[in-house]
Amino acid sequence: EDKVVQSPLSLVVHEGDTVTLNCSYEVTNFRSLLWYKQEKKAPTFLFMLTSSGIEKKSGRLSSILDKKELFSILNITATQTGDSAVYLCAVEARETSGSRLTFGEGTQLTVNP
Amino acid sequence: GAGVSQSPRYKVAKRGQDVALRCDPISGHVSLFWYQQALGQGPEFLTYFQNEAQLDKSGLPSDRFFAERPEGSVSTLKIQRTQQEDSAVYLCASSFTTGGNTIYFGEGSWLTVV
Repeated sequence: EDKVVQSPLSLVVHEGDTVTLNCSYEVTNFRSLLWYKQEKKAPTFLFMLTSSGIEKKSGRLSSILDKKELFSILNITATQTGDSAVYLCAVEARETSGSRLTFGEGTQLTVNP
Repeated sequence: GAGVSQSPRYKVAKRGQDVALRCDPISGHVSLFWYQQALGQGPEFLTYFQNEAQLDKSGLPSDRFFAERPEGSVSTLKIQRTQQEDSAVYLCASSFTTGGNTIYFGEGSWLTVV
């Protein structure tokens, strides 16, 4: 059974801090790993990672995948209160019938002013 | 449409009542997914459509749950004889093709069974 474990489950920081969110996975027929941000509504797409060692960046957010050790990290630098959200990690498995995402429980990030 | 649209946004159902949740995916998207998200948990896969074909329904928790997408666009998730444990957010998602493409989520239908 595919499995995704995120840590920490919750994190409280002050504005300006840098945070690292962790995601480890076990999946048969790995296709990709995705990060989403969820603020009490639709999960919004952040990154899709398919290759090891290639960092993806978007502003203050960056992410990298290690397919050998089966984990990914999401970094947020110079955090702002607007970064407060649940960050979801999901892995996509290659299925004969299409594809599906298996999600972790999420990391609840709270950024205090 | 501009995004994945779901309705109703909020539904309160009495135990034993049937409910129907609608999803309107992004225009042209072939793949459509339904996920169930309980409070404080990550979304869990329910079912997957490629056009009108339901290719994977292994995540549906019981035979009270039924999904359809008859014309390959709008989808409906129906829950019969709702129970309290069905209370969750039901998320619909779509993507252009199968595999390796960004999957876009709707805002969800929040179901509370009382």
